[in-house]
Amino acid sequence: RKEVEQDPGPFNVPEGATVAFNCTYSNSASQSFFWYRQDCRKEPKLLMSVYSSGNEDGRFTAQLNRASQYISLLIRDSKLSDSATYLCVVNKGGGSYIPTFGRGTSLIVHP
Amino acid sequence: EPEVTQTPSHQVTQMGQEVILRCVPISNHLYFYWYRQILGQKVEFLVSFYNNEISEKSEIFDDQFSVERPDGSNFTLKIRSTKLEDSAMYFCASKREIQETQYFGPGTRLLVL
Repeated sequence: RKEVEQDPGPFNVPEGATVAFNCTYSNSASQSFFWYRQDCRKEPKLLMSVYSSGNEDGRFTAQLNRASQYISLLIRDSKLSDSATYLCVVNKGGGSYIPTFGRGTSLIVHP
Repeated sequence: EPEVTQTPSHQVTQMGQEVILRCVPISNHLYFYWYRQILGQKVEFLVSFYNNEISEKSEIFDDQFSVERPDGSNFTLKIRSTKLEDSAMYFCASKREIQETQYFGPGTRLLVL
């Protein structure tokens, strides 16, 4: 099983749609989880951290399921500007803060 | 808003040559990182640096790589003898505290011919 696994997509959705991405991780010792956004040929930028109780930031909601070892990102009311690759990032844990990146899920929002 | 900067933005080099990639982390940050991303692939951790020494490194970070913080502002990645497979985007990142989020620089695109 890959350390951090994501469906590469692309997810092709119309403006205003709701879209959800999942990510699974293999290391049960992982303690920190993040969603980053990466535009083409640009650096990753933090979208949001993922907390145990789930958290929301405007149109974005992140959830963590430790038992099943997956995290999710829900985007409501998609905008054209949401088109990007969404990276799931999981720290190794067990005293290590090394982040492991997923390959990313590509989102295309069309008019 | 403070940001991480990297130079050069692009570098083309011949196989076997040495390259030095430069980063200026955010000024009050204490933890520094290098990552690489081969075109079309995932971001991969190379090394983390704290208190003037390497704190963690990946299996990619072999003897041909080294890092240095030569003064109070710069953080450099040296590749001693480049190989074709070193062609990638190299990102620097920094953060203030270990548990905080890290901020990435815009990257240096390295092409080894």
